[in-house]
Amino acid sequence: AQKVTQAQTEISVVEKEDVTLDCVYETRDTTYYLFWYKQPPSGELVFLIRRNSFDEQNEISGRYSWNFQKSTSSFNFTITASQVVDSAVYFCALIDGAGGTSYGKLTFGQGTILTVHP
Amino acid sequence: DVKVTQSSRYLVKRTGEKVFLECVQDMDHENMFWYRQDPGLGLRLIYFSYDVKMKEKGDIPEGYSVSREKKERFSLILESASTNQTSMYLCASSFSQNQPQHFGDGTRLSIL
Repeated sequence: AQKVTQAQTEISVVEKEDVTLDCVYETRDTTYYLFWYKQPPSGELVFLIRRNSFDEQNEISGRYSWNFQKSTSSFNFTITASQVVDSAVYFCALIDGAGGTSYGKLTFGQGTILTVHP
Repeated sequence: DVKVTQSSRYLVKRTGEKVFLECVQDMDHENMFWYRQDPGLGLRLIYFSYDVKMKEKGDIPEGYSVSREKKERFSLILESASTNQTSMYLCASSFSQNQPQHFGDGTRLSIL
């Protein structure tokens, strides 16, 4: 069965520090999709990135970067020069099971609470 | 930008009431989802729908039902509200099954 593990329950950093949020996934499928979401204190879940299993290229978007490594089943998220506005809960998620009954269902990790102090 | 709108941000109801949570998306998405989020339990899928008038049970459908009469609207119904249904409810939609789900702002529902 599919599973997403975010081992870091809470991380606390000081502004301008770099921080990496870890995500490890389990799936039997060769085709799958990985996602990161941000949930600020206001509550809405904001989509950040989607990666398919055939694309291991790392991605950078401003201060955000993602490192996808199939060899270690990891999809880690790094925030460079963190800011107070980055304080939120971050979720890693997986869709697998193409063509099966579970296809399209997101499996979420438990989330990592990031607090950035001024 | 995708807009998913949930009818209420905060809602307080009484035990035994029938409760309707409404969700509307404006991007002609095929798929819609209802989740609840609880501390320590994370996000759990209640029901989802891949087409109009179609519904599938998620991981925790007991005590809930859904309705999708129009493509843009997906309603979650608590048939007889109970205190253990006090939670944050999140609606989402997606263009296809491997595309990102886009979420509404959530409804914090309290059952007294």
